[in-house]
Amino acid sequence: GAGVSQSPSNKVTEKGKDVELRCDPISGHTALYWYRQSLGQGLEFLIYFQGNSAPDKSGLPSDRFSAERTGGSVSTLTIQRTQQEDSAVYLCASSSPLRNEQFFGPGTRLTVL
Amino acid sequence: RKEVEQDPGPFNVPEGATVAFNCTYSNSASQSFFWYRQDCRKEPKLLMSVYSSGNEDGRFTAQLNRASQYISLLIRDSKLSDSATYLCVVIPPGGGNKLTFGTGTQLKVEL
Repeated sequence: GAGVSQSPSNKVTEKGKDVELRCDPISGHTALYWYRQSLGQGLEFLIYFQGNSAPDKSGLPSDRFSAERTGGSVSTLTIQRTQQEDSAVYLCASSSPLRNEQFFGPGTRLTVL
Repeated sequence: RKEVEQDPGPFNVPEGATVAFNCTYSNSASQSFFWYRQDCRKEPKLLMSVYSSGNEDGRFTAQLNRASQYISLLIRDSKLSDSATYLCVVIPPGGGNKLTFGTGTQLKVEL
């Protein structure tokens, strides 16, 4: 079946511009997570959606970052006024309510010039 | 201290060798532990969960030592296709299933 999909696969933007990254989770998965992986760094948690509960935003690095999940499915991560340190691979994952295994999408590689 | 620490490697081993990776975690109340595998420029994929009793999946064996707060992964009869970065992952207490990743151990299996 279809896995987690993300778009775009690559995004190059100029410093100060806003970007939107999209994630389509696996159908039926109620939990959705955003992580990012910077060069030479481990993956770090950003935000977590579970069903209709309020999202856990504890990993967002600044108020320039926000995310929403519409209709309990697709999620969009928005970064406003991008900075060069925002350059990273942004990974989305989803999991079903029955198991805690998270399935990752291929990621969006963001480069801020 | 990092929440999850791993030796970054690289570990260069010949095909057929046995190789072991260790990982330590800082929060003694952590409940769930995993090994993920990440190939170059690809997304992480779950290799195996780690249980207190230890678990084995083919050539792979994972063990958890709660007293010492470390997790191990043993790969026997290594194959060229095992070359990847192995990520130690912990779910700390506090709600949700937020994964906390180590920086990964790079394995290169050579002819």
